[in-house]
Amino acid sequence: GAVVSQHPSRVICKSGTSVKIECRSLDFQATTMFWYRQFPKQSLMLMATSNEGSKATYEQGVEKDKFLINHASLTLSTLTVTSAHPEDSSFYICSARAGPAYEQYFGPGTRLTVT
Amino acid sequence: AQSVAQPEDQVNVAEGNPLTVKCTYSVSGNPYLFWYVQYPNRGLQFLLKYITGDNLVKGSYGFEAEFNKSQTSFHLKKPSALVSDSALYFCAVDEGGSYIPTFGRGTSLIVHP
Repeated sequence: GAVVSQHPSRVICKSGTSVKIECRSLDFQATTMFWYRQFPKQSLMLMATSNEGSKATYEQGVEKDKFLINHASLTLSTLTVTSAHPEDSSFYICSARAGPAYEQYFGPGTRLTVT
Repeated sequence: AQSVAQPEDQVNVAEGNPLTVKCTYSVSGNPYLFWYVQYPNRGLQFLLKYITGDNLVKGSYGFEAEFNKSQTSFHLKKPSALVSDSALYFCAVDEGGSYIPTFGRGTSLIVHP
């Protein structure tokens, strides 16, 4: 199957700082990328959907100014958590899809810890 | 609005026995249905999907799922479970046209030796 990489796999940052997470589709062009949060033993919470070259569409309750998403190319999307707080600590997962009705391919996730 | 339900938080099955992980959905139009698996400490992986055509869909690792329109279900099945099948399974539905999938809350499958 297709491969999606995510970097970094783990990051620890201090409260008030920003952290950027990269998501890359390595062997296909992703017209759409998704960003999720996953809490322990719980389902995926969709944060936002981004299409290449367009502004991201955020789910209700997700602060767009706090979670900045950029989908600059067909193979790269970034999530920047700005002014991070301990409650932002979570497991963030990206996925990429080649087109409508295609399956998603997921990155391995990023464990963010805000101290 | 589209929705998907996985009614069981956990399914326990003995190795060698058949397994079923349940999924039901609700959409206004035609559903696109997906199953994904998340093994411990690993990313989610695509297992199989139903878009159109045969109601019985075969996927990776010997899994299959049957699309049942009248019961609005898409249960995941395997004839003979392996201990290595123990993982978290997610069903997702994407109403044709919305293209933003909704995931179920996940079902933890535990296969006992």
